[in-house]
Amino acid sequence: DTGVSQNPRHKITKRGQNVTFRCDPISEHNRLYWYRQTLGQGPEFLTYFQNEAQLEKSRLLSDRFSAERPKGSFSTLEIQRTEQGDSAMYLCASRQKRPGAEAFFGQGTRLTVV
Amino acid sequence: ILNVEQSPQSLHVQEGDSTNFTCSFPSSNFYALHWYRWETAKSPEALFVMTLNGDEKKKGRISATLNTKEGYSYLYIKGSQPEDSATYLCAFDQAGTALIFGKGTTLSVSS
Repeated sequence: DTGVSQNPRHKITKRGQNVTFRCDPISEHNRLYWYRQTLGQGPEFLTYFQNEAQLEKSRLLSDRFSAERPKGSFSTLEIQRTEQGDSAMYLCASRQKRPGAEAFFGQGTRLTVV
Repeated sequence: ILNVEQSPQSLHVQEGDSTNFTCSFPSSNFYALHWYRWETAKSPEALFVMTLNGDEKKKGRISATLNTKEGYSYLYIKGSQPEDSATYLCAFDQAGTALIFGKGTTLSVSS
């Protein structure tokens, strides 16, 4: 399967714990995006990378969230000291930099904070 | 924060009905406008990516138009079928920044 892969698919954690999600994009895609989606909402932008450089981070994102893409390939999203409000679907997408390139999405990681 | 608006939020139609949705976006620094289809328990999949004012694209019974000067795009579905039931997302691609999505229009087609 050469699509975007996200792990884990589901994560249940206790409030206050740290969690880390992984995204493996399509190999030739240099742009990688993280989104959060809650019930009834569209994907909310969190951050994006071009190769290993994090080019933009949403102002809505608290300091508890951090993302990396160390070698310009896979990316991780870490949430520290999770809160119940962090419960959501976390989506990763990748695409090529060229104009008009569509984004390809992973199946997401469903986080539940109890 | 860029504002991408979609309307209506949800829509229920009968099989065979034609329908359309609207996406409005900032008219400045336009790069591209994307439409995605998101079925339950699946990943969003691209329908169209439009880059030029006046663009019209078609895929089967689904088509889309683009007006970059006034900042809107329409998605049309002709002769809706139950398998068209999904959430339709538009995304604004502003040069050099992230791909920003609207909240989507959820379509339900009854047979």
